[in-house]
Amino acid sequence: QSALTQPRSVSGSPGQSVTISCTGTSSDVGGYNYVSWFQQHPGKAPRLMIYDVVQRPSGVPDRFSGSKSGNTASLTISGLQSEDEADYYCCSYAGSHTTFVFGTGTKVTVL
Amino acid sequence: EVQLEESGGGLVQPGGSLKLSCTASGFTFSDYPMHWVRQAPGEGLVWVSRISHDAIYTNYAGSVKGRFTVSRDNAKNTLYLQLNSLRAEDTAVYFCVKDSAHFGVDYWGQGTLVTVSS
Repeated sequence: QSALTQPRSVSGSPGQSVTISCTGTSSDVGGYNYVSWFQQHPGKAPRLMIYDVVQRPSGVPDRFSGSKSGNTASLTISGLQSEDEADYYCCSYAGSHTTFVFGTGTKVTVL
Repeated sequence: EVQLEESGGGLVQPGGSLKLSCTASGFTFSDYPMHWVRQAPGEGLVWVSRISHDAIYTNYAGSVKGRFTVSRDNAKNTLYLQLNSLRAEDTAVYFCVKDSAHFGVDYWGQGTLVTVSS
């Protein structure tokens, strides 16, 4: 199972919006509405930001939103803040044998 | 509050073995499948293994199948990963991760570093 494809980096100024794409196949992203997004600061454990494509866990700011079209999912951060600077990984359910596949990761830089 | 604490990492020679542990608290451990996910230095997250809540079913990534074994002791709220025939490319931080019970994962431990080198 190959990793999902994400851009290596995206950047934006405080207050702007950035969108991260996550491209897979019909066997993972396109086949299920079970895409999650994780935020990881350096040296820290990943934190769940979005699940089931569009759902936000309690405590996650509503600046974070998710969507999906075909084999590509997206994470949008609106009103970018300095604390949003981190690595972001998508993750998709990929069936009962493979279970999960992660994206290649995207570094978000706040200019 | 869900807490996951890994231990057992360290430096091991190629071909050697290591057993990782993960102690869970803050939720009913025996109700949830659990996963191991690893991250090589400077690299991305890679799913390694899953075990069902009752330890009957296990799954492995192709790169570790036949070398790694996942297990759990629900009486001790502990998840394990036995790593055998280790290779340099197994060098990574290994995270213990709780299944969300809805086709996803939610909580992560802080990870334990495994370094395979002579």
